[in-house]
Amino acid sequence: NAGVTQTPKFRVLKTGQSMTLLCAQDMNHEYMYWYRQDPGMGLRLIHYSVGEGTTAKGEVPDGYNVSRLKKQNFLLGLESAAPSQTSVYFCASSLTSGVRGTQYFGPGTRLLVL
Amino acid sequence: GIQVEQSPPDLILQEGANSTLRCNFSDSVNNLQWFHQNPWGQLINLFYIPSGTKQNGRLSATTVATERYSLLYISSSQTTDSGVYFCAVPLSNDYKLSFGAGTTVTVRA
Repeated sequence: NAGVTQTPKFRVLKTGQSMTLLCAQDMNHEYMYWYRQDPGMGLRLIHYSVGEGTTAKGEVPDGYNVSRLKKQNFLLGLESAAPSQTSVYFCASSLTSGVRGTQYFGPGTRLLVL
Repeated sequence: GIQVEQSPPDLILQEGANSTLRCNFSDSVNNLQWFHQNPWGQLINLFYIPSGTKQNGRLSATTVATERYSLLYISSSQTTDSGVYFCAVPLSNDYKLSFGAGTTVTVRA
Protein backbone atom coordinates (compact mmCIF):
# COMPACT_ATOMS: atom_id res chain seq x y z
CA ASN A 1 0.00 0.00 0.00
CA ALA A 2 1.95 3.03 -1.28
CA GLY A 3 -0.66 5.64 -0.27
CA VAL A 4 -0.35 8.77 -2.40
CA THR A 5 2.52 9.02 -4.86
CA GLN A 6 3.60 11.90 -7.08
CA THR A 7 5.67 12.01 -10.26
CA PRO A 8 8.12 13.65 -10.82
CA LYS A 9 9.78 14.66 -7.55
CA PHE A 10 11.59 17.63 -9.07
CA ARG A 11 11.46 19.46 -12.39
CA VAL A 12 13.00 22.55 -13.96
CA LEU A 13 11.07 24.25 -16.75
CA LYS A 14 11.69 27.24 -18.94
CA THR A 15 9.03 29.92 -19.21
CA GLY A 16 6.40 28.87 -21.73
CA GLN A 17 7.05 25.14 -21.52
CA SER A 18 4.33 22.72 -20.56
CA MET A 19 4.28 19.75 -18.24
CA THR A 20 1.99 17.34 -16.42
CA LEU A 21 2.26 16.28 -12.80
CA LEU A 22 0.86 12.86 -11.97
CA CYS A 23 -0.76 11.89 -8.69
CA ALA A 24 -1.75 8.31 -7.94
CA GLN A 25 -3.47 6.82 -4.89
CA ASP A 26 -4.15 3.19 -4.06
CA MET A 27 -6.60 3.72 -1.19
CA ASN A 28 -9.74 3.76 -3.35
CA HIS A 29 -10.42 7.35 -2.31
CA GLU A 30 -13.16 9.30 -4.05
CA TYR A 31 -11.80 12.80 -3.49
CA MET A 32 -8.47 14.11 -4.73
CA TYR A 33 -6.83 17.55 -4.48
CA TRP A 34 -3.93 19.57 -5.83
CA TYR A 35 -2.31 22.23 -3.62
CA ARG A 36 0.64 24.53 -4.01
CA GLN A 37 2.89 25.65 -1.17
CA ASP A 38 4.99 28.78 -1.42
CA PRO A 39 7.73 29.77 1.05
CA GLY A 40 6.41 30.83 4.44
CA MET A 41 2.84 30.10 3.50
CA GLY A 42 0.32 27.42 4.06
CA LEU A 43 -1.11 25.34 1.27
CA ARG A 44 -3.52 26.76 -1.26
CA LEU A 45 -6.00 24.63 -3.16
CA ILE A 46 -5.60 24.70 -6.95
CA HIS A 47 -8.18 22.18 -8.18
CA TYR A 48 -9.99 19.21 -6.73
CA SER A 49 -12.12 16.25 -7.77
CA VAL A 50 -14.97 14.53 -5.97
CA GLY A 51 -15.00 11.49 -8.21
CA GLU A 52 -13.83 9.96 -11.47
CA GLY A 53 -14.60 12.24 -14.38
CA THR A 54 -15.25 15.32 -12.21
CA THR A 55 -13.05 18.34 -11.50
CA ALA A 56 -13.60 21.74 -9.93
CA LYS A 57 -11.67 24.94 -9.24
CA GLY A 58 -10.11 25.75 -5.91
CA GLU A 59 -8.63 29.00 -4.58
CA VAL A 60 -5.89 29.53 -7.19
CA PRO A 61 -6.84 27.70 -10.44
CA ASP A 62 -5.51 30.16 -13.03
CA GLY A 63 -2.79 28.75 -15.27
CA TYR A 64 -3.56 25.12 -14.38
CA ASN A 65 -5.77 22.38 -15.78
CA VAL A 66 -6.64 18.99 -14.32
CA SER A 67 -8.11 15.69 -15.36
CA ARG A 68 -9.43 12.66 -13.48
CA LEU A 69 -9.97 10.00 -16.11
CA LYS A 70 -9.34 7.17 -13.65
CA LYS A 71 -10.38 7.08 -10.02
CA GLN A 72 -6.84 6.45 -8.80
CA ASN A 73 -5.14 9.19 -10.84
CA PHE A 74 -5.34 12.98 -10.77
CA LEU A 75 -3.28 14.94 -13.29
CA LEU A 76 -2.23 18.59 -12.99
CA GLY A 77 -1.19 20.35 -16.18
CA LEU A 78 0.68 23.56 -16.81
CA GLU A 79 0.13 24.60 -20.43
CA SER A 80 2.54 27.55 -20.46
CA ALA A 81 4.68 27.71 -17.34
CA ALA A 82 5.44 31.07 -15.72
CA PRO A 83 8.01 31.94 -13.01
CA SER A 84 5.09 32.64 -10.63
CA GLN A 85 4.31 28.92 -10.79
CA THR A 86 7.60 28.04 -9.11
CA SER A 87 6.39 26.21 -6.03
CA VAL A 88 6.06 22.88 -4.29
CA TYR A 89 2.99 20.99 -5.44
CA PHE A 90 1.20 18.53 -3.21
CA CYS A 91 -1.47 16.06 -4.11
CA ALA A 92 -3.87 14.72 -1.49
CA SER A 93 -6.78 12.33 -1.33
CA SER A 94 -9.62 11.56 1.05
CA LEU A 95 -12.21 8.83 1.26
CA THR A 96 -15.04 11.30 0.98
CA SER A 97 -15.98 14.19 3.26
CA GLY A 98 -17.05 14.76 6.83
CA VAL A 99 -15.64 12.22 9.25
CA ARG A 100 -14.22 10.34 6.27
CA GLY A 101 -12.60 13.52 4.95
CA THR A 102 -9.16 13.10 6.50
CA GLN A 103 -6.71 14.10 3.78
CA TYR A 104 -3.59 12.07 3.00
CA PHE A 105 -0.75 13.78 1.20
CA GLY A 106 1.84 12.75 -1.34
CA PRO A 107 5.54 13.65 -0.94
CA GLY A 108 5.36 16.73 -3.14
CA THR A 109 6.85 17.88 -6.46
CA ARG A 110 9.32 20.76 -6.51
CA LEU A 111 8.91 22.85 -9.66
CA LEU A 112 11.29 25.60 -10.72
CA VAL A 113 10.30 27.78 -13.67
CA LEU A 114 13.14 29.86 -15.10
CA GLY B 1 -13.69 33.51 2.79
CA ILE B 2 -12.87 32.05 6.15
CA GLN B 3 -9.72 33.34 7.83
CA VAL B 4 -7.36 31.03 9.71
CA GLU B 5 -4.76 32.43 12.09
CA GLN B 6 -2.13 30.36 13.85
CA SER B 7 0.03 31.37 16.77
CA PRO B 8 2.80 31.60 17.58
CA PRO B 9 4.49 31.70 14.17
CA ASP B 10 7.67 30.19 15.60
CA LEU B 11 8.40 28.13 18.68
CA ILE B 12 11.73 26.89 19.99
CA LEU B 13 11.61 24.16 22.61
CA GLN B 14 14.09 22.23 24.67
CA GLU B 15 13.62 18.48 24.41
CA GLY B 16 11.16 17.34 27.06
CA ALA B 17 9.23 20.60 27.22
CA ASN B 18 5.48 20.95 26.70
CA SER B 19 3.84 23.46 24.38
CA THR B 20 0.51 24.68 23.06
CA LEU B 21 -0.21 25.81 19.52
CA ARG B 22 -3.34 27.80 18.73
CA CYS B 23 -5.57 28.07 15.67
CA ASN B 24 -8.28 30.73 15.44
CA PHE B 25 -10.85 30.76 12.66
CA SER B 26 -13.29 33.44 11.62
CA ASP B 27 -16.47 31.44 11.02
CA SER B 28 -18.18 28.35 12.32
CA VAL B 29 -16.80 25.12 10.89
CA ASN B 30 -17.76 21.46 10.86
CA ASN B 31 -14.32 20.18 9.94
CA LEU B 32 -10.89 21.04 11.32
CA GLN B 33 -7.70 19.12 10.68
CA TRP B 34 -4.20 19.45 12.09
CA PHE B 35 -1.18 18.48 10.01
CA HIS B 36 2.53 18.14 10.66
CA GLN B 37 5.03 18.88 7.91
CA ASN B 38 8.40 17.36 8.78
CA PRO B 39 11.72 18.98 7.81
CA TRP B 40 11.78 16.85 4.64
CA GLY B 41 8.45 18.27 3.50
CA GLN B 42 6.15 15.32 4.13
CA LEU B 43 2.68 16.27 5.38
CA ILE B 44 1.04 13.97 7.88
CA ASN B 45 -2.51 14.27 9.13
CA LEU B 46 -2.52 14.41 12.92
CA PHE B 47 -6.17 14.95 13.83
CA TYR B 48 -9.58 15.34 12.35
CA ILE B 49 -11.24 17.30 15.14
CA PRO B 50 -14.29 19.49 14.40
CA SER B 51 -15.08 19.59 18.13
CA GLY B 52 -14.06 18.05 21.43
CA THR B 53 -10.74 16.54 22.42
CA LYS B 54 -8.61 13.78 20.93
CA GLN B 55 -5.30 12.27 21.95
CA ASN B 56 -2.67 10.41 20.00
CA GLY B 57 0.37 9.52 22.04
CA ARG B 58 2.12 12.70 23.19
CA LEU B 59 -0.09 14.88 21.02
CA SER B 60 -3.59 15.99 21.82
CA ALA B 61 -5.98 18.49 20.31
CA THR B 62 -9.04 20.37 21.51
CA THR B 63 -11.48 22.31 19.37
CA VAL B 64 -14.03 24.68 20.87
CA ALA B 65 -16.20 25.28 17.84
CA THR B 66 -18.51 27.78 19.56
CA GLU B 67 -15.53 30.01 20.36
CA ARG B 68 -13.80 29.36 17.02
CA TYR B 69 -10.45 28.06 18.11
CA SER B 70 -8.48 24.87 18.33
CA LEU B 71 -5.42 23.99 20.39
CA LEU B 72 -2.70 21.43 19.71
CA TYR B 73 -0.72 20.22 22.70
CA ILE B 74 2.71 18.68 22.44
CA SER B 75 3.91 17.02 25.63
CA SER B 76 7.44 15.84 26.40
CA SER B 77 8.64 17.16 23.06
CA GLN B 78 11.21 15.24 21.04
CA THR B 79 13.48 16.34 18.22
CA THR B 80 11.27 14.38 15.82
CA ASP B 81 8.44 16.81 16.64
CA SER B 82 10.28 19.56 14.76
CA GLY B 83 8.60 20.90 11.66
CA VAL B 84 5.64 23.04 10.74
CA TYR B 85 2.19 22.46 12.20
CA PHE B 86 -0.79 23.55 10.13
CA CYS B 87 -4.44 23.73 10.97
CA ALA B 88 -6.97 23.69 8.15
CA VAL B 89 -10.69 24.43 8.00
CA PRO B 90 -13.23 24.16 5.17
CA LEU B 91 -13.36 26.87 2.53
CA SER B 92 -17.04 26.47 1.79
CA ASN B 93 -18.04 22.89 2.46
CA ASP B 94 -16.51 20.26 4.62
CA TYR B 95 -13.84 18.93 2.31
CA LYS B 96 -12.14 21.87 0.57
CA LEU B 97 -9.61 23.04 3.13
CA SER B 98 -8.11 26.45 3.82
CA PHE B 99 -4.76 26.25 5.60
CA GLY B 100 -3.29 28.60 8.16
CA ALA B 101 0.26 29.90 7.71
CA GLY B 102 1.58 27.37 10.21
CA THR B 103 3.64 27.30 13.39
CA THR B 104 7.28 26.34 12.94
CA VAL B 105 8.45 24.22 15.88
CA THR B 106 12.12 23.56 16.55
CA VAL B 107 12.96 21.08 19.30
CA ARG B 108 16.55 21.21 20.49
CA ALA B 109 18.32 18.25 22.10
